[in-house]
Amino acid sequence: EDKVVQSPLSLVVHEGDTVTLNCSYEVTNFRSLLWYKQEKKAPTFLFMLTSSGIEKKSGRLSSILDKKELFSILNITATQTGDSAIYLCAVVASGSRLTFGEGTQLTVNP
Amino acid sequence: SAVISQKPSRDICQRGTSLTIQCQVDSQVTMMFWYRQQPGQSLTLIATANQGSEATYESGFVIDKFPISRPNLTFSTLTVSNMSPEDSSIYLCSGRGQRNTEAFFGQGTRLTVV
Repeated sequence: EDKVVQSPLSLVVHEGDTVTLNCSYEVTNFRSLLWYKQEKKAPTFLFMLTSSGIEKKSGRLSSILDKKELFSILNITATQTGDSAIYLCAVVASGSRLTFGEGTQLTVNP
Repeated sequence: SAVISQKPSRDICQRGTSLTIQCQVDSQVTMMFWYRQQPGQSLTLIATANQGSEATYESGFVIDKFPISRPNLTFSTLTVSNMSPEDSSIYLCSGRGQRNTEAFFGQGTRLTVV
């Protein structure tokens, strides 16, 4: 059975801090790993990673994948209160279905 | 990426009734999925909606409780049947293209059963 584990489950930081969110996985026939941000209901897409060692970057957010060690990290630098959300990691394996981790609840305090 | 319009965005329903949620995609997608997100939990896949045939359900979900239709490549419905308070949840539809692309989501339906 495919498995995705995120850590920490919750995190409280102050504005300006840098955070690192972790995602490890055990799946058959890995195809890609995706990160999403969920503020209210609908998750919004952040990154898709398919190759090891290639950093994806968008503003203050960046992510990288290690296919040998089966994990990915999502970094957020200079956090803002608007970064407060649940961050979801999902893995696409055989059959094209996504398996989601439990999510990390990030709270950024002013 | 495509845009999915999902409705209703929220509803409060009486137990024993049924609710149908609709998703309309602005372009053709190969795959459509329905998820449930119970309070404080992550997304759980209910089923894969197959065009013109019966949906493929995940373990723990059955067609009688969650009938799904997908008459074409841009539209799908999920019905939550004979609802109970345990069905109170956010329901999300999702679409993906044929290649290894990201999945995008509808706005979600927040269902409360009283």
